[in-house]
Amino acid sequence: DIVLTQSPATLSLSPGERATLSCRASQGVSSYLGWYQQKPGQAPRLLIYDASNRAAGIPDRFSGSGSGTDFTLTISSLEPEDFAVYYCQQRRSWPLTFGGGTKVGIK
Amino acid sequence: EVQLVESGGGLVQPGGSLRLSCAASGLTVSSRYMAWVRQAPGKGLEWVCALFSSGDTYYTDSVKARFTISRDRSKNALYLQMNSLRAEDTAVYFCASQLVVGVTTYNWFDSWGQGTLVTVSS
Repeated sequence: DIVLTQSPATLSLSPGERATLSCRASQGVSSYLGWYQQKPGQAPRLLIYDASNRAAGIPDRFSGSGSGTDFTLTISSLEPEDFAVYYCQQRRSWPLTFGGGTKVGIK
Repeated sequence: EVQLVESGGGLVQPGGSLRLSCAASGLTVSSRYMAWVRQAPGKGLEWVCALFSSGDTYYTDSVKARFTISRDRSKNALYLQMNSLRAEDTAVYFCASQLVVGVTTYNWFDSWGQGTLVTVSS
């Protein structure tokens, strides 16, 4: 199974700051990496697919980069609604796997 | 607008069975790649199983031979039959459907239900 390791586990930042989240795969996943945002009591929301493509309706402050084993989700300037948990997911091979998540909290 | 509504969760004893349903509107279940994803209380996301429009199915190892994903064209619904339930199956179960951009489909999950809680406990 492909293991996705997200870092850091927790990020404490202030609104307006830049957030950089990392996802590292235990083996190459090409560009088959996506990012989801989840708020308490809600379903996940797809932000980025195929490593760098923003899903419909996702603000351009969210960007994804990387390929192979190392990926980054960047939020250029945090808005109050961006404080949430973020998960990466690979679809390169079965079983599909998610990372353990990064919680972006308010400092 | 796509809407997915799960139902069927509840409290079940270890070894018991439960069938989850996911009623869909705004999409045709039989023509989409769909999946079940679960989340144990306070934990992260775990993919459970998937069903392609072709009928091909995939399962995570821990549920193989116990869970079955299926669909009903007439009801436009997705199902998850869960047998031999264990305490570690306790989670909120989400159904999800694939991303469609124009006429292009992508095997990512961009529509999700609100989830239904399954609790396995004696």
